[in-house]
Amino acid sequence: SAVISQKPSRDICQRGTSLTIQCQVDSQVTMMFWYRQQPGQSLTLIATANQGSEATYESGFVIDKFPISRPNLTFSTLTVSNLSPEDSSIYLCSAERGVTDTQYFGPGTRLTVL
Amino acid sequence: ELKVEQNPLFLSMQEGKNYTIYCNYSTTSDRLYWYRQDPGKSLESLFVLLSNGAVKQEGRLMASLDTKARLSTLHITAAVHDLSATYFCAPITQGGSEKLVFGKGTKLTVNP
Repeated sequence: SAVISQKPSRDICQRGTSLTIQCQVDSQVTMMFWYRQQPGQSLTLIATANQGSEATYESGFVIDKFPISRPNLTFSTLTVSNLSPEDSSIYLCSAERGVTDTQYFGPGTRLTVL
Repeated sequence: ELKVEQNPLFLSMQEGKNYTIYCNYSTTSDRLYWYRQDPGKSLESLFVLLSNGAVKQEGRLMASLDTKARLSTLHITAAVHDLSATYFCAPITQGGSEKLVFGKGTKLTVNP
């Protein structure tokens, strides 16, 4: 299995600011992903974090709003920029080692924007 | 575009009873995942179903996959209170970059 940690676990931010979320995996993984989950809702994929190249964003998500870095095989960051109250959500990082492996999820970061 | 439908969305059952959660999806997928999420917690992987006809069991939970019918089921046997949680199915897209597409989840409450 893979153990994933995220920092911060929660934060309260002011409108217009940015928050960077860190995701650390305890072993090398091939794929890393970022999801958003509104309370009581399902998960929506934001982007796939590609190691050494630009992230692949899903429809409705853009790099200017959600810049992502993945400098190596165990670490990624997601920045949520120019925050608005609509960005209040839980952001989850996940990782996968191979196509037949499960996708492991981090504990999530609960973001509240005032 | 892969769409996923879970039924039911809410399920209240008594301890000791059996029930099945259904996961239908709209386009070809040969791999499907089931997750459990407790309130305020992250997702815990339950099963990875890798091929048509795959069946996996863990304790009181059994999952199956029928890729021809585009259907997966999660069967609960003799439910206990500890199984109360939200269960998500997530088939994987095929062709190009593979990614999970999550259903809306089934919130299960097991009553004593």
